[in-house]
Amino acid sequence: QVQLVESGGGVVQPGRSLRLSCAASGFTFSSHGMHWVRQAPGKGLEWVGVIWYDGSNKYYADSVKGRFTISRDNSMNTVYLQMNSLRAEDTSVYYCARQGSSRQLDYWGQGTLVTVSS
Amino acid sequence: QSALTQPASVSGSPGQSITISCTGTSSDVGGYNYVSWYQQHPGKAPKLMIYDVSNRPSGVSDRFSGSKSGNTASLTISGLQAGDEADYYCSSYTSSSTVDVVFGGGTKLTVL
Repeated sequence: QVQLVESGGGVVQPGRSLRLSCAASGFTFSSHGMHWVRQAPGKGLEWVGVIWYDGSNKYYADSVKGRFTISRDNSMNTVYLQMNSLRAEDTSVYYCARQGSSRQLDYWGQGTLVTVSS
Repeated sequence: QSALTQPASVSGSPGQSITISCTGTSSDVGGYNYVSWYQQHPGKAPKLMIYDVSNRPSGVSDRFSGSKSGNTASLTISGLQAGDEADYYCSSYTSSSTVDVVFGGGTKLTVL
């Protein structure tokens, strides 16, 4: 069955960096775009960015553009979210999600919490 | 980019039907049939309920249905059950040159 497992979250000081990982299994990873979506405590879902199935294209929300970078390693079935210059407002649960046959996010990981605080 | 507009809350009694709206623009909801709906229970990851406006993934109850008119999409839940109480989010593909997806602000469904 499809599984997505995020890791790498934790407490980090403002201005520092953190890299999240999302390990995928149960499907042909190299055939699917992968998204990152975050959710601040008590708030709604916010789309962060996407990387195409082959890594050829990436798109980001304006709120993270220039600070966050998505990459993937299709040989390791893993997608990454490199987060630099972190701010307090980046504090969220970060989910990775698989893009399905159309534009839907059909499978989601359990999320990993990132807390940006001094 | 602006979020899609959803009502903050809706409520209904068991057995009733409710509808949640999701209003965007011609650059997202109105321009493409790429609207999805997600259900999220407290402390859990979102779950896909509807995609491409009105398609149900395998395993999702047919009590859930979706539609679209102009720039507004809708999620209808019929025969409300206690387990339907959750937050619901719409999303859409957007034709912005640098952004791919936009979410609604979410709607809290209370089953009375």
